[in-house]
Formats: sequence, C-alpha cells, structure tokens
Amino acid sequence: EPEVTQTPSHQVTQMGQEVILRCVPISNHLYFYWYRQILGQKVEFLVSFYNNEISEKSEIFDDQFSVERPDGSNFTLKIRSTKLEDSAMYFCASTEQGAFTEAFFGQGTRLTVV
Amino acid sequence: GENVEQHPSTLSVQEGDSAVIKCTYSDSASNYFPWYKQELGKRPQLIIDIRSNVGEKKDQRIAVTLNKTAKHFSLHITETQPEDSAVYFCAASGSGGGADGLTFGKGTHLIIQP
Repeated sequence: EPEVTQTPSHQVTQMGQEVILRCVPISNHLYFYWYRQILGQKVEFLVSFYNNEISEKSEIFDDQFSVERPDGSNFTLKIRSTKLEDSAMYFCASTEQGAFTEAFFGQGTRLTVV
Repeated sequence: GENVEQHPSTLSVQEGDSAVIKCTYSDSASNYFPWYKQELGKRPQLIIDIRSNVGEKKDQRIAVTLNKTAKHFSLHITETQPEDSAVYFCAASGSGGGADGLTFGKGTHLIIQP
C-alpha cells in the first residue's frame, strides 16, 4: 500500500539553526500539507500546497516557515531560525483530491530544539 | 476560522461495552468530517469519515453520525476490544475550499479495561 514517507524520523537542533524536514507524498496525490503536534496536544494545521504554490496557511505558519516542492517527488518544510517552542512532531500529509478526501499522514519527524 | 470541540478528553470503558465520542464544529460551511486513531508515537490513521450529504455511516464496529443543523458529529465504537485503546481525534474541513486543511479536536484518550 502506498504511504507518505518522512525523513528524518528525529532531528535535534540548536536554537537559531535552520532545519529542513522532508516528505515524499503518495505519487498520484495532488494536495500536500504540513501539520504539527506538540507532545500530548492536538494536531494543528500549518500549511497546504497545491499546484506548486501555497493554498492556505494558519497563524502558526509565520515568516520563519517556508515550503517547497523542489522536484517531482519531495515536499519540504523549512524553519529558518528555530525556537524552543518549535519542538514538536511534524507530520506531512497528502490527499488525492483535496479537503474532501482522506488525508494520509507520514510517520512524522520529531523535532527537538535545544 | 473553524473551531472543533471534542468530549470527553478521557473515556474508560469495559471491554465489550460501547464507547461514544462527541464533537461540535463552528463553521456551517465545513463538509468533511474524518475520525483519526493515533497510537502512542504513531501517525494518525483514518478510521472512518463522513461527508455533509450523509447523516450516518457504519463500518463493522465503528459508526459515525452527523447532525448538520446542530453542527455535531459523533463516533460510536461497539463491542470494544483492548486494541481499540488509543487517542481518537475528530476533525473538520472543507469550509475554505479544496485545499482546506483539517481542524482537529483536542482528542479523546480511550481506555479499554479488561
């Protein structure tokens, strides 16, 4: 069964450093998303991406965040200058036809900012 | 934006009994309502979903009901088993268009007592 894959599974970084989280969505999916989940809390929407541009973003997705689809398979989330409060599990997800169809989640990248 | 409230935060039931988790949403334009199961340290996985043109959907021991007028939807699990123990999240989307992200509830920790 096709699945969304994310790398790395765990990333430790120093405050102020840049990190790039990588995702490979399911190949025939057209909509891509990033979510985050602070430990013990709910999953929060960050950004959606369609047709090579950002479609929607939440208040969390400020100027420190950016997304990119550098080639036909990868989808990345960059945090330019990490803060302690960026520590969370980051999930990539993809859907075949947008908001009305099942979102498949990757296994997540646990980001720890020290 | 959309706001999803979920109750209860913790639910403990005897094995074999039924469990009911309830959610309300605020945006009447939302039209897709999935339920995700998340085991500790794992990705959220879809267990059932419902669209706004349907009032009820069932899949074996799991059912979801939707009341659009009240902006309320519920997850019902019958004949609960130990492997049902997990955190369950309701979500809503669709009010923002095709690339709308999911707005999640805060989750219900379901504990199945043997």
